[in-house]
Amino acid sequence: DTGVSQDPRHKITKRGQNVTFRCDPISEHNRLYWYRQTLGQGPEFLTYFQNEAQLEKSRLLSDRFSAERPKGSFSTLEIQRTEQGDSAMYLCASSSASGQETQYFGPGTRLLVL
Amino acid sequence: DQQVKQNSPSLSVQEGRISILNCDYTNSMFDYFLWYKKYPAEGPTFLISISSIKDKNEDGRFTVFLNKSAKHLSLHIVPSQPGDSAVYFCAASDTGNQFYFGTGTSLTVIP
Repeated sequence: DTGVSQDPRHKITKRGQNVTFRCDPISEHNRLYWYRQTLGQGPEFLTYFQNEAQLEKSRLLSDRFSAERPKGSFSTLEIQRTEQGDSAMYLCASSSASGQETQYFGPGTRLLVL
Repeated sequence: DQQVKQNSPSLSVQEGRISILNCDYTNSMFDYFLWYKKYPAEGPTFLISISSIKDKNEDGRFTVFLNKSAKHLSLHIVPSQPGDSAVYFCAASDTGNQFYFGTGTSLTVIP
């Protein structure tokens, strides 16, 4: 399977704990995106990378959130000191080049903060 | 501030009939639009896209129409099949970097 993969698929954690999610994009794609989706809403943009450079961050991305793509391949999204409001589906997508390129999504990581 | 709106949370259609899903946007700078389909517990799957230089794009049973003056796009599925039952999201972009998604329309195709 050469699509976007995400790990883990599900994560349950206690409030105040740190969590880290991983995304592996389609191999030839140099752009990688993180979105968050809550119940009844569409995906909301968090941040994106072109190769290893993080080029844009949403104001939704608080200081507790950090994303990396150290070698321009896979990416990690870390949430520190999780809060119940962080409970959501975290989606990763990738695309090639720039401009009007379709983003292909992974299956998502569903986070539940107790 | 919701820049992309899907005002119908749900839609039910008989198998074989046409499904029409609607989407409105507010940002006149949007120049690329997409429709995604999402099943429960899966990520969105790309369906069809349209650039602002066109007013129609067709791919098999799926056709997207764009009315720039009305800032409106629609997705037509004909004939509808039970496997089309899913949540459909429209998305728009002005730079190709950040996509803005609507809240989705849940389509149920009744056999």
